[in-house]
Amino acid sequence: AQSVTQPDIHITVSEGASLELRCNYSYGATPYLFWYVQSPGQGLQLLLKYFSGDTLVQGIKGFEAEFKRSQSSFNLRKPSVHWSDAAEYFCAVARQGAQKLVFGQGTRLTINP
Amino acid sequence: GAVVSQHPSWVICKSGTSVKIECRSLDFQATTMFWYRQFPKQSLMLMATSNEGSKATYEQGVEKDKFLINHASLTLSTLTVTSAHPEDSSFYICSATTRLAGGNEQFFGPGTRLTVL
Repeated sequence: AQSVTQPDIHITVSEGASLELRCNYSYGATPYLFWYVQSPGQGLQLLLKYFSGDTLVQGIKGFEAEFKRSQSSFNLRKPSVHWSDAAEYFCAVARQGAQKLVFGQGTRLTINP
Repeated sequence: GAVVSQHPSWVICKSGTSVKIECRSLDFQATTMFWYRQFPKQSLMLMATSNEGSKATYEQGVEKDKFLINHASLTLSTLTVTSAHPEDSSFYICSATTRLAGGNEQFFGPGTRLTVL
């Protein structure tokens, strides 16, 4: 069965610092990979997705993620965080061609001023 | 575009009553809608998948008779929690997808906070 692991439950970074959120998946083949952000009172918003091709994916709000097949990872990065980036971040996977998403446990990001 | 709404945003009910939550795709036709449950500080767990005009497919461990899902049109799906009990208190989130999006991207509603007293 597919599974997604986000090892960091809570991360705190200073505003302007770089960020990396980790995501590892367990699946026999390369799945579709997603990063979502959830802010209080708002629905999940898609930051970026990887289906195939270039392993470095650019998303919205200055985020990017890199798919590393050898490490079964899809880590999310941002060179300089803003206070508005404070939120819960979810990594998710889906079997290629399927719609059902499996979510990681989430990483809560706190930004220090 | 691709906006999904949920109503109500929060609801408090007494134990034993039923609660209906609506999920609407506002500017697109949703071929498939999904219902998730999220406990505090936890991840989203898929409860069921529903396609317009057909019966919902429930995930293992989800009680079909307790969580009734109706997807009567391409823009509306409802989740009814029947005979709710305090352990049903949770955050319920719906999402929708469309063939135009390749069927692979889900658009999420803002969620409904259910509290059962």
